Amino acid sequence: DVKVTQSSRYLVKRTGEKVFLECVQDMDHENMFWYRQDPGLGLRLIYFSYDVKMKEKGDIPEGYSVSREKKERFSLILESASTNQTSMYLCASSSPPREDYGYTFGSGTRLTVV
Amino acid sequence: AQSVTQLGSHVSVSEGALVLLRCNYSSSVPPYLFWYVQYPNQGLQLLLKYTSAATLVKGINGFEAEFKKSETSFHLTKPSAHMSDAAEYFCAVSGTSYDKVIFGPGTSLSVIP
Repeated sequence: DVKVTQSSRYLVKRTGEKVFLECVQDMDHENMFWYRQDPGLGLRLIYFSYDVKMKEKGDIPEGYSVSREKKERFSLILESASTNQTSMYLCASSSPPREDYGYTFGSGTRLTVV
Repeated sequence: AQSVTQLGSHVSVSEGALVLLRCNYSSSVPPYLFWYVQYPNQGLQLLLKYTSAATLVKGINGFEAEFKKSETSFHLTKPSAHMSDAAEYFCAVSGTSYDKVIFGPGTSLSVIP
């Protein structure tokens, strides 16, 4: 019954590496989101997308980019990983204005940059 | 614009006691309101939501929340806490189903045996 899948639960990368975090949803949702979650800071929106090939900056886009070539897949890219990007990354999707509106989250990817 | 505040970053209750997690919102339009739960090292799971139907909303795992427009509140309750309820709880708001959802800072619930 998995609906939003994040490809990795745990990742360890080195400083300066290019990192790809993948998210796939099987609910035909139009909207997809990437958040990072840090203790004491809650969820912060990095990027979101309302349609294929569309992307919008969230509150903290610096150091990140995204790609949405297909409706079901939304990738988060860390161009050159840094230690301050060590965090829990959460992907979500939604499809307004359906009655069952709400975000569906993946299980998260805990990224450590060393 | 919408915003959410959650009173108390940490709440502890005894097993079997009432759970009350507070949420107040600000919205310029009739809001959609949500409660999500996050267990350790997992993503967020929708507990319940208010979308302008009944003001008392029942969710999963015995939780419910009441929308009070006059108090701009959407507090989460459960009559009897269980050890498995220990988790992080997030209140969230959006103005319409087309808006982004704004999350509160979260409340960590501990259940004491």
